[in-house]
Amino acid sequence: EVQLVESGGGLVQPGASLKLSCVASGFTFSDYWMSWVRQTPGKTMEWIGDIKYDGSYTNYAPSLKNRFTISRDNAKSTLYLQMSNVRSEDTATYYCTNNYDYWGQGVMVTVSS
Amino acid sequence: DVVLTQTPVSLLISLGGQASISCRSSQSLVHSNGNTYLHWYLQKPGQSPQLLIYQVSNRFSGIPDRFSGSGSGTDFTLKISRVEPEDLGVYYCLQRTHNPWTFGGGTKLELK
Repeated sequence: EVQLVESGGGLVQPGASLKLSCVASGFTFSDYWMSWVRQTPGKTMEWIGDIKYDGSYTNYAPSLKNRFTISRDNAKSTLYLQMSNVRSEDTATYYCTNNYDYWGQGVMVTVSS
Repeated sequence: DVVLTQTPVSLLISLGGQASISCRSSQSLVHSNGNTYLHWYLQKPGQSPQLLIYQVSNRFSGIPDRFSGSGSGTDFTLKISRVEPEDLGVYYCLQRTHNPWTFGGGTKLELK
């Protein structure tokens, strides 16, 4: 059974940094492109970015590429999202997904002072 | 960016009835390789999205044949026949033909 478990969310102040993790199991992690998607409190879905199976290539939403970084550790079957200089509009539930097939349960990030 | 417009925004359906959801794109979703990367998801209350249909008309693993996708170019449709209680939630379309990938605004399926 495919499982994707996100963690690392919570309440963070504007301007701070935060790193989300997504631990994968039930499939060969190193064979899959992985991605992050977020859903705002108003339920709008927004693509964040993708990373190739070997980590050699990343692709980001233009509006986020200067502040968000996606990485992976295939030895640990773990995907990461490094968020920097966060803003109130980054408040959302963040999902990891393997090639958009299966999605994790999501982790909430709230940006507020 | 490609804009995906889903209609209707909400849909009231009786159990056993049929639902039809439209996803219209601001530009053709035919990739240069000939494939069309338009997918459909269902987000049940309190859950994460689940893949129903990929590349317009292909049902994902375990998805019943009550769900069907069709369309081409800029106009796509998801049909749900014999609606069951487990089908309730918000349906989203996603395009991965043109970077950046974009989602439709969602269609909420509710029971009449």
